[in-house]
Amino acid sequence: AQKVTQAQTEISVVEKEDVTLDCVYETRDTTYYLFWYKQPPSGELVFLIRRNSFDEQNEISGRYSWNFQKSTSSFNFTITASQVVDSAVYFCALSEAIGPSSASKIIFGSGTRLSIRP
Amino acid sequence: DAGVTQSPTHLIKTRGQQVTLRCSPKSGHDTVSWYQQALGQGPQFIFQYYEEEERQRGNFPDRFSGHQFPNYSSELNVNALLLGDSALYLCASSLVAGPNSPLHFGNGTRLTVT
Repeated sequence: AQKVTQAQTEISVVEKEDVTLDCVYETRDTTYYLFWYKQPPSGELVFLIRRNSFDEQNEISGRYSWNFQKSTSSFNFTITASQVVDSAVYFCALSEAIGPSSASKIIFGSGTRLSIRP
Repeated sequence: DAGVTQSPTHLIKTRGQQVTLRCSPKSGHDTVSWYQQALGQGPQFIFQYYEEEERQRGNFPDRFSGHQFPNYSSELNVNALLLGDSALYLCASSLVAGPNSPLHFGNGTRLTVT
């Protein structure tokens, strides 16, 4: 069974603090893809990053960084020097190739609500 | 460049009624997926359409059906509405059907069933 677990339901930090959002996934596939999405109050899900199962290199994009560790089935997301605009719900997600048509479905975690206090 | 657009933004229906939600994908995208997001939960996959065919389906009953048109736009139909169908329905589009194609989401349709 495929599953994504985000154990932290809510996190609240003061602006400029660093914060890490945890994500643990389960899959039996050897080829899979991991994602992070941000959902601000407007409701639209904003794509942040995609990582495939063969690429364990960490990635940094500005204040955002991602740590992918297959050994622990984790794909954690760190925001450095957080800002109030980072306040949102963040979702970790997993997708696999299913069937010859390569159609896929994305499985989302339950999300972590991040609040950045000024 | 228009992103994913959904209509209507809000909808109130009565239990037992039928509803149709509409989605126009991002320009250049050919694949549309639908997700249901209950309050406080992550989105759940309903189904995906590519080349006007349903390619994959999640664990949703047959009351949920869809369609994709030649211009790649899509509709989600829900029959015999239940109170539990109240949720935010998100449409997402991508360039090709495949697991590594990032989805671009619309703002969703908030459906309330009374």
